[in-house]
This record gives sequence, structure tokens and C-alpha cells, in this order.
Amino acid sequence: DVKVTQSSRYLVKRTGEKVFLECVQDMDHENMFWYRQDPGLGLRLIYFSYDVKMKEKGDIPEGYSVSREKKERFSLILESASTNQTSMYLCASSLGPGAVETQYFGPGTRLLVL
Amino acid sequence: QKEVEQNSGPLSVPEGAIASLNCTYSDRGSQSFFWYRQYSGKSPELIMSIYSNGDKEDGRFTAQLNKASQYVSLLIRDSQPSDSATYLCAVSQTSEKLTFGTGTRLTIIP
Repeated sequence: DVKVTQSSRYLVKRTGEKVFLECVQDMDHENMFWYRQDPGLGLRLIYFSYDVKMKEKGDIPEGYSVSREKKERFSLILESASTNQTSMYLCASSLGPGAVETQYFGPGTRLLVL
Repeated sequence: QKEVEQNSGPLSVPEGAIASLNCTYSDRGSQSFFWYRQYSGKSPELIMSIYSNGDKEDGRFTAQLNKASQYVSLLIRDSQPSDSATYLCAVSQTSEKLTFGTGTRLTIIP
């Protein structure tokens, strides 16, 4: 079974803090994704990566950056957290480019920015 | 116009009945279509994928795709209380990215 893990289930941070969200997958997947999910807005793609050190902006990249130094690990960084970044953050992975593959989701990190 | 649209619900269905969930999409170049189920407080999990026009059945679930009309639907037969969840429709225009609808909340009434 594919397993996608996220470093924290719940996180509370202060405005202006730098926040790191970590995601690890154990199935040698090429693609990894970061989404945020908000009531009424659904899942929105922040960034995705199709290879180590490669990244592509999603629909709402402003205020975020990402890092993929190793194939299994994809980090989302909030450079200076703001209250409007309070949300559920979901990481996902899929097999590889060139074929549409199922995205497998981690358990999510619920982030509260005060 | 949203790229992927779903009725947010809530949709209430008696236990044992058929639940019908609908989704429309705007990009005619969309190639792949997915239904995810998300229980409250949990992450989405894939329940069905469909790539060509027609019906695809998997147990109590049937996905239906009509590319000419740009809609995809999910039927759940013999609905059970455990089917109560939010159902997310997702559409792929490229091989890597999915675009999600906002989801339909389904409640099965015992």
C-alpha cells in the first residue's frame, strides 16, 4: 500500500513565523503535490513537483514555497505565516509523469495561524 | 465559470436507495475523471476512475461519463450509512494535475 505521511496533524503558529510542513511518501512516486482545503473552496493546488529539485506553481502559490531535495520528501514552506493561511494542508503523491495516475493523500495538517 | 462544478448538497438519501452525484466540467480537453470520498476530518481516498464514455461499475459504485455533455456522475446503489461522506469530483487536463470540484456532502438516513 502507498503510504503518504505528514509531519504534524495539528499545528499552531503565530503571524510572521516561518512554517515548514513535511511530507514523505514510501512508494518511489515521481509526482508530489501540496493542496490546501477550505470550506466552500474545495481542494486547491499550491505547488507540485514531478522530480527532485523540480517544482511547478499551482493555482495559489503566493505566500508559499516548496523544496524537494529527495524523491520521497516534499516540503511546503510558509515564509511568513498570515492568518489567511489558516487551513487544512494536504500532501499527495502519484506514480509518475506521462500517465494519469491516482493521487494518494496524506492525513493532512490542520494549521492555525494566530 | 468554475472548471469543475458540483452541487454542494447536503444530499440526503434513505438507506438502501440509490444515491446519484453529479459533476460538470468546462474543459473539453479533459481526459481523465475521478471520484474521491472524504470522510469528515479525513483525507480524500479514490473510489472510482473513468476515462472513456459510458459506464464503469465497481461493486455498488457506478461511474458514468458523457464527454459530449461534459458531465460525469457517480451512482451508489444500496446506500449504507457508511457511505455518508463528501464526494469530490476531479478532472485531469494534463497527465499530472487534477482539478477538484468543491464536493457534494452525502448523508444516508437509516
